Amino acid sequence: DTEVTQTPKHLVMGMTNKKSLKCEQHMGHRAMYWYKQKAKKPPELMFVYSYEKLSINESVPSRFSPECPNSSLLNLHLHALQPEDSALYLCASSQAVLANAYNEQFFGPGTRLTVL
Amino acid sequence: AQKITQTQPGMFVQEKEAVTLDCTYDTSDQSYGLFWYKQPSSGEMIFLIYQGSYDEQNATEGRYSLNFQKARKSANLVISASQLGDSAMYFCAMREGIIQGAQKLVFGQGTRLTINP
Repeated sequence: DTEVTQTPKHLVMGMTNKKSLKCEQHMGHRAMYWYKQKAKKPPELMFVYSYEKLSINESVPSRFSPECPNSSLLNLHLHALQPEDSALYLCASSQAVLANAYNEQFFGPGTRLTVL
Repeated sequence: AQKITQTQPGMFVQEKEAVTLDCTYDTSDQSYGLFWYKQPSSGEMIFLIYQGSYDEQNATEGRYSLNFQKARKSANLVISASQLGDSAMYFCAMREGIIQGAQKLVFGQGTRLTINP
């Protein structure tokens, strides 16, 4: 199974709502990533979990709250979002690597989020 | 800070022709890695090819090859015998660092490739 799944595929929410995005992989990867991608722009890294611990937070506003309940699951909790947060949210996973090595990041299909 | 530059916002190519997508990078690190990803309109990022800074041979994966010129800091993607299904956005990315086993990637602005029949 070389797949990263994301749910939901589409989400429309108001600025006062609370919602969650879910990401799952069963490849045994110990690094998981959240990216935000605006239209016609490259993905921008938001958070990275390594061995279920938050290792990178790219100064993301607190209205985005990541969670890694186990090595296969990654959640992104959303609260009090703004219209400018509307974007494609991509999840990715990879094997943990050593220095000078590499492993490709496997991406999910993304969740298209619209904030009204 | 590392930087990736893709100077071609869009490219149009006839089916079955070869196409080269440009990517230049800027880094002061001796050890780094370069990736190419394809993003169809469906949104999923698909890994294509990787080149490490210490790799002496240019990377190849099927119809994809990477023209790596270290002195010029360029890592161009070459797609041979293009197909209609190659129409997509293509991103060049550099590994900016490894933190606790996780790779931090920085992406270029992308090139939208359109294959005409």
